[in-house]
Amino acid sequence: EAGVAQSPRYKIIEKRQSVAFWCNPISGHATLYWYQQILGQGPKLLIQFQNNGVVDDSQLPKDRFSAERLKGVDSTLKIQPAKLEDSAVYLCASKAGSYNEQFFGPGTRLTVL
Amino acid sequence: AQSVAQPEDQVNVAEGNPLTVKCTYSVSGNPYLFWYVQYPNRGLQFLLKYITGDNLVKGSYGFEAEFNKSQTSFHLKKPSALVSDSALYFCAVLVGSNYQLIWGAGTKLIIKP
Repeated sequence: EAGVAQSPRYKIIEKRQSVAFWCNPISGHATLYWYQQILGQGPKLLIQFQNNGVVDDSQLPKDRFSAERLKGVDSTLKIQPAKLEDSAVYLCASKAGSYNEQFFGPGTRLTVL
Repeated sequence: AQSVAQPEDQVNVAEGNPLTVKCTYSVSGNPYLFWYVQYPNRGLQFLLKYITGDNLVKGSYGFEAEFNKSQTSFHLKKPSALVSDSALYFCAVLVGSNYQLIWGAGTKLIIKP
């Protein structure tokens, strides 16, 4: 079974630039999450999708962050414009059912200069 | 408020010795508990979970965890530590109608040869 795929693995941008991250979840997983992880800390949930609908985006900074999952499979997370404090690892995860474990991708390490 | 606590920022163990990484939780209702491990520059990997049933749960890489309802704990254990077990370990609890994870702050496990 293929795991959760993410790209790019690393990205370096200047502040005020835009950036996009892509995630392909495990086939058949209806629930998809985007997390932000600051070095050495636990993941912070940004947004949760169920199929192509948003379940929870209460912690997504909507003035600069956006995310979509148009066909209920792949998802993209965008930051525009980026700030220095957005430097973090962005993790995508998916799961099959309510009580199932989440499977994580390798993450995208973003550095904002 | 629902929460997860990992009281130790770092745990140091000699190779071959038993290890314990502590986790306590505070939730309303039945707890659904998870342990994940994160190796450097990698995404989070699922180790084990407690949903219901036996209080001793066995997981990947020889790890196990003991659910203790009276002490509201879910400590991660391994009988004999390996240097390769050195990583960051996260405890998490499933909450809410959206079945989201609340994460602990993480515990860095260092196994010395």
